[in-house]
This record gives sequence, C-alpha cells and structure tokens, in this order.
Amino acid sequence: AQTVTQSQPEMSVQEAETVTLSCTYDTSESDYYLFWYKQPPSRQMILVIRQEAYKQQNATENRFSVNFQKAAKSFSLKISDSQLGDAAMYFCAYYSNTGNQFYFGTGTSLTVIP
Amino acid sequence: DAGVTQSPTHLIKTRGQQVTLRCSPKSGHDTVSWYQQALGQGPQFIFQYYEEEERQRGNFPDRFSGHQFPNYSSELNVNALLLGDSALYLCASSLAGWPTQYFGPGTRLLVL
Repeated sequence: AQTVTQSQPEMSVQEAETVTLSCTYDTSESDYYLFWYKQPPSRQMILVIRQEAYKQQNATENRFSVNFQKAAKSFSLKISDSQLGDAAMYFCAYYSNTGNQFYFGTGTSLTVIP
Repeated sequence: DAGVTQSPTHLIKTRGQQVTLRCSPKSGHDTVSWYQQALGQGPQFIFQYYEEEERQRGNFPDRFSGHQFPNYSSELNVNALLLGDSALYLCASSLAGWPTQYFGPGTRLLVL
C-alpha cells in the first residue's frame, strides 16, 4: 500500500514570509497524482494544489508552489507571502489511479505569526 | 454552484446503535468517496461509489456500508457503533476518471 509521510507536525511562519512544508511518499506505481489540501478550524478540506506525476514542471497556484522530485518521492509545498488566512492544517495526499483512492499524510499544523 | 453538502453536522450516538450520514455531491459530479478522520489524524478512505455501486473499498469492516442514489447523492451507514467510530466523517465528490476530489464540511460523530 502507498504511504504518505509528513515529518513536520507543526510549523510556524511570520506573516509575509515564506514557508515550506515537506512530504514524502512511497509507491511502486508510475501513474499517480499528488495533492496538498488545507483544513482550517472550520474543518472543511480545501484543495490547494495538484501535481500530475507524469509532468516534470512543478505546479503553481498564485502564492502556492510545489517542488516535485519524482525520483526522491518528495513533494513539498512552498507558501510565499504568508497570510493570516493561511493558518490551517495542511495534508499531503497521494491519489492512485489504479486504486481510485486517496492516501493522506498525518498533516502539518501551520501557524502564521502577525 | 453548490459545493458538496453533508448532513447532519453533528451527531451523538451510543454504543451499539446505528447511524446514517448523508452527502450531496458538487453539481456535475457523479462519484462520491467517504473518509473517516480521527482526531489529529489524516482522513482514511472508507469507500467510493460510482454508478450506484461500490467501486473501491478501504480497510474498514462490513459494519460500514453505503449507498448511492440515481441523483448521485450518497449515504454512509455504520452499524453496531463502537467508541472508536467517533470521528469526523468526510464526503468528497469528483467526476469519474478525474482524480481531483472536493470535500464537504463533514459530520462530527460522537459515540458514547
């Protein structure tokens, strides 16, 4: 089974600064997708960014970008110009095309300091 | 455009009881997945429904069952509730063949 590891249970960042959240995964598949989801205290999971494994180019969505290292099975999220509204639990997720299911990490709690 | 909705938002049950949770997918979506999120953990996949059939199942006992209706809405049923079933239950919808899932706000279940 695929596993997703987030080794940073908690992170903090000053407002307007940049922070990087780490994620590694284990798989023998070649066709998959990787995601970052954000879960604020309201608890609704919100899609942040998606990366297709077959694409070499790193995905970017406004202030959010990823560093996808397929050979190293690493998928980190960089948040630039951090805002107070970025404070939340961030989950890294692996989607298996063959298994049609998500595998989530245990999450990283991000605090943004004013 | 309505997103994914779930009901109820909170629920309290006692051990041994049965519970039904409901989910309406995002407009245009035909696939519904259910997840269990224990406190302090990431969501765990329960099962996925497409065309009114269970397409994929995670490592959950048969006490967990589901149903999908012709309008693509779905129910999650849990029988013989255990204390360990206390969790946030998340529903996510997607379009068949498309991996991106959109989540609802969840149902918080407390088993006493």
